[in-house]
Parts: sequence; C-alpha cells; structure tokens
Amino acid sequence: SQTIHQWPATLVQPVGSPLSLECTVEGTSNPNLYWYRQAAGRGLQLLFYSVGIGQISSEVPQNLSASRPQDRQFILSSKKLLLSDSGFYLCAWSGGRAVGELFFGEGSRLTVL
Amino acid sequence: QKEVEQDPGPLSVPEGAIVSLNCTYSNSAFQYFMWYRQYSRKGPELLMYTYSSGNKEDGRFTAQVDKSSKYISLFIRDSQPSDSATYLCAMSATGSGNTGKLIFGQGTTLQVKP
Repeated sequence: SQTIHQWPATLVQPVGSPLSLECTVEGTSNPNLYWYRQAAGRGLQLLFYSVGIGQISSEVPQNLSASRPQDRQFILSSKKLLLSDSGFYLCAWSGGRAVGELFFGEGSRLTVL
Repeated sequence: QKEVEQDPGPLSVPEGAIVSLNCTYSNSAFQYFMWYRQYSRKGPELLMYTYSSGNKEDGRFTAQVDKSSKYISLFIRDSQPSDSATYLCAMSATGSGNTGKLIFGQGTTLQVKP
C-alpha cells in the first residue's frame, strides 16, 4: 500500500531563517506531488506541484521554492522566512487517474516568530 | 469574490442529527466536486467524490451537486461524535493531466455532541 511521510511535524523558526520541509511517498512510482498551505481559518492553497523529477510548477508568487530531486521526494524550501509564511503545510500525492483524489501527509506546522 | 465560498461555522449538533454542509462557487468550468474530512492536526482525507451534477450516496453520507445554481452539499445522516471534524469542499475543472490541482473552500468545523 502507498504511504506518504512528511517531516518535521512542528517547526518554530525566527524571521529570516531558512526552511526545509521534506516529503516522501512509498509504494507508488511517478506520482504527481503537491505542496498545499493551510493558513489559520482558511482553506488549502496550492503552492507547487510536480508531475516528474525536476519539473516544478508554482501557483503563487511567494518566498518559497520547491524541488523534486527524486521520483518520490518533494522538498519545500525558503532562504529567508517571513512572518506570513506561518501555517500548516501539507504534502500530497495523486496517481494521476482520478481527478481530485489526493492523498495527504500528516502536515508540518510552521510558526515564524 | 472567492472562487469557492464555504461557511466556516463552527456548527454544533446533537448526536443523531442530520447535518447539511454547503459550498457555492463562481467558476462554471468546475466539473469535479469533492468533500474532504480533516481531523484536528491531521491531513485531509477524501470522503466523497462527484462528477458533474447529481447525487451520490455512501453509507450515512450523501453528496449533491447543482451546477445550475453553482451549489454543492454534503449531508450526514445519524451524525456521530466521530464525525466531529472540519469538512472541506474542493473543486476542479481539470479533466486530464494534473488531477490534484484543486480549489478548496475554507472548511466548516463540525462538532457532534453526545
């Protein structure tokens, strides 16, 4: 069966510090991968998606970047965090067959102080 | 105007009640409609999926889509305390290729009291 792992689960970082969130998927090959952000009291906002190694599409201009160095690994990064980067970050994968069928990780809660 | 509007609640009901959760949307290109359930501090999980208009039933859950009114609903019958969670509607216009590019509502927090 497929599983998705995301870490760290919780992160408290000062403004201006770097960020690295990692996500890996097991049990499937060539998944579509996604980073979503959920701000307090708001819905999920798509940040990046990837349909293959090295292929990254950005949905929202921002202070963040994403990379996909391996087929089942997706990394979210920032060189200098802003207060507005605080939120709940969710990695997800889909098999590319059924529209809307996303499988989410447990999430990473980021607080920027 | 947001593409998808959802009343954030919170909604509190007694156990056994019928719950109605709703979303409205503005983009007539949306063809795929989903409901995700999210427990506190967890990632969302797909609960119901509907293509185009009509109803879909799965156990105690019924999803309805009215494209003419741009309105979707999720009904929960005989609600249980374990149904307490945030319910997010999601939509997509994509029919092929990038299947996970979804537009989510704000989410409605539901509490079912024993």
